[in-house]
Amino acid sequence: DQQVKQNSPSLSVQEGRISILNCDYTNSMFDYFLWYKKYPAEGPTFLISISSIKDKNEDGRFTVFLNKSAKHLSLHIVPSQPGDSAVYFCAAAATSGTYKYIFGTGTRLKVLA
Amino acid sequence: NAGVMQNPRHLVRRRGQEARLRCSPMKGHSHVYWYRQLPEEGLKFMVYLQKENIIDESGMPKERFSAEFPKEGPSILRIQQVVRGDSAAYFCASPRSGPGNTEAFFGQGTRLTVV
Repeated sequence: DQQVKQNSPSLSVQEGRISILNCDYTNSMFDYFLWYKKYPAEGPTFLISISSIKDKNEDGRFTVFLNKSAKHLSLHIVPSQPGDSAVYFCAAAATSGTYKYIFGTGTRLKVLA
Repeated sequence: NAGVMQNPRHLVRRRGQEARLRCSPMKGHSHVYWYRQLPEEGLKFMVYLQKENIIDESGMPKERFSAEFPKEGPSILRIQQVVRGDSAAYFCASPRSGPGNTEAFFGQGTRLTVV
């Protein structure tokens, strides 16, 4: 039962353009969402998060949008840089529960120079 | 990520041996998550521990796997009688400031190879 889904396994974007990574969830109890970036042979690195009381959070080149009615969130990276090439995971947690983070399967982003 | 320490980074075990993976969370933190990433897959939740207490073990396989987080020392994920299917990257994470609206920081992981 995949509660957090990233339906695009891979995405290629030209340097300088916008990268949009999507994530869907099914559990309406989730109220905290995160994006992580992962390079090969390294642990995931936290990027940005959003609470369900907001619909947008911005940090530099990274913006996360949350659409609660659609149970959908997206990560926008603009402008994209070659160093952004990595696997991106979205994660969700229910703060009323045991607060475990449930991860999607990841999207591999390739930014072309 | 530098605050969460995992060792060893790489571990090779023969089928039937035991694997012990260690995780020291960020200083002063008393909560640890363990996750497993199989090749070409996402991160799967295994267990959530507080010192001397298992909070959620719903992702742990029923047999051969156990985890603990003693009052002193690192958290240990133990896999008994390893099989080839246990080969994976195992990550631990600790929340920035305890459970709540906060991110978790991950260690570099332990890559277990069962031969």
